[in-house]
Amino acid sequence: NAGVTQTPKFQVLKTGQSMTLQCAQDMNHEYMSWYRQDPGMGLRLIHYSVGAGITDQGEVPNGYNVSRSTTEDFPLRLLSAAPSQTSVYFCASTLHPTGGAGANVLSFGAGSRLTVL
Amino acid sequence: GENVEQHPSTLSVQEGDSAVIKCTYSDSASNYFPWYKQELGKRPQLIIDIRSNVGEKKDQRIAVTLNKTAKHFSLHITETQPEDSAVYFCAASMGYGNKLVFGAGTILRVKS
Repeated sequence: NAGVTQTPKFQVLKTGQSMTLQCAQDMNHEYMSWYRQDPGMGLRLIHYSVGAGITDQGEVPNGYNVSRSTTEDFPLRLLSAAPSQTSVYFCASTLHPTGGAGANVLSFGAGSRLTVL
Repeated sequence: GENVEQHPSTLSVQEGDSAVIKCTYSDSASNYFPWYKQELGKRPQLIIDIRSNVGEKKDQRIAVTLNKTAKHFSLHITETQPEDSAVYFCAASMGYGNKLVFGAGTILRVKS
């Protein structure tokens, strides 16, 4: 299994540009999520999905859109990038819990570093 | 919503000493408390987790304790080694499908 794959690894945007961060997993995980990581602020949840066709907002959803048309893919869209969105973005997924060990363990992608000028 | 506070923000210890990182959470309904380790430039990796029906869990040099009454949990690393140097994050949630909320992180430096 490739695990959680994120693309691109690095991206530089100008203010107002749009882009999509891609996330794919091949582990048949139902739960997928996007976090942003900023210095001194830990990981903050942007959006998450508990299955295909279902998405919900996290702590910091403004300026971001998501969709979940398949179990494997969970893209994050920035419609009009702002300098405040400069960050490292992580996609993470986990299996539907059965109550057993590992039910909630998040598998993270390698991260995407985004700079908005 | 859930809020997780983590202390200290930085921690320096001598090799072989113990390190303790503490977190408090706000939502008494939270029942899952993982700890993640992140090395520089890498993705976070789970090192240990605990559920609300357990008070303590150990895995070799790492242990986590949970006090549900006080709503705090702690990570204990014994016999620290230079490779333990990293950023450690605590987190809390009500389980699957619920938002896993992270603390701000602790930079651990182990001096040899």
